[in-house]
Amino acid sequence: GAGVSQSPSNKVTEKGKDVELRCDPISGHTALYWYRQSLGQGLEFLIYFQGNSAPDKSGLPSDRFSAERTGGSVSTLTIQRTQQEDSAVYLCASSLGGAPENEQFFGPGTRLTVL
Amino acid sequence: KNQVEQSPQSLIILEGKNCTLQCNYTVSPFSNLRWYKQDTGRGPVSLTIMTFSENTKSNGRYTATLDADTKQSSLHITASQLSDSASYICVVSANTGGFKTIFGAGTRLFVKA
Repeated sequence: GAGVSQSPSNKVTEKGKDVELRCDPISGHTALYWYRQSLGQGLEFLIYFQGNSAPDKSGLPSDRFSAERTGGSVSTLTIQRTQQEDSAVYLCASSLGGAPENEQFFGPGTRLTVL
Repeated sequence: KNQVEQSPQSLIILEGKNCTLQCNYTVSPFSNLRWYKQDTGRGPVSLTIMTFSENTKSNGRYTATLDADTKQSSLHITASQLSDSASYICVVSANTGGFKTIFGAGTRLFVKA
């Protein structure tokens, strides 16, 4: 079975442009997470989807960041009007359910560089 | 405030040697603690998980310990290999509604030949 996949693997964009990052979770996993990891730093939580519940957006750093999850599967993280400080690796993870004991399986990440 | 602190920040050891990484946390109410390994350019992969009642868990050459009273955990790596070079992340989850998983900043381990 395939793991979590993310695309693109690398994205270079100019300051002020919008970008969309995609995450395909493991089939059957109801929980999906987005994180950001700056160079040499720990993971920063962005947003969490669990089933049909309203997403937990408490980690989104500004209103330029948004995410959606269509049909309970694929998720897209959108960053509008990108800034240089948005440069980071964006990691997606999924888990079988939202309970804390469920292991999160991570994708390889999308490396975003904003020039 | 829920926090997870790891030490050391980085560590260099010779191949074949053992090492121990530390994690202190203040997450409450505690649900479980995981250690993840993150290779360069890859997503983290879970090594071990421990709940409140468990104080040790092994996965091959990796052994994690948990002291729920002092809120400390350690990850011991035995007979290190070059492939152990990676970041090791301590992750603590709280038993509350919604998302409550706190990631430590990680320990960067370098194993040299």
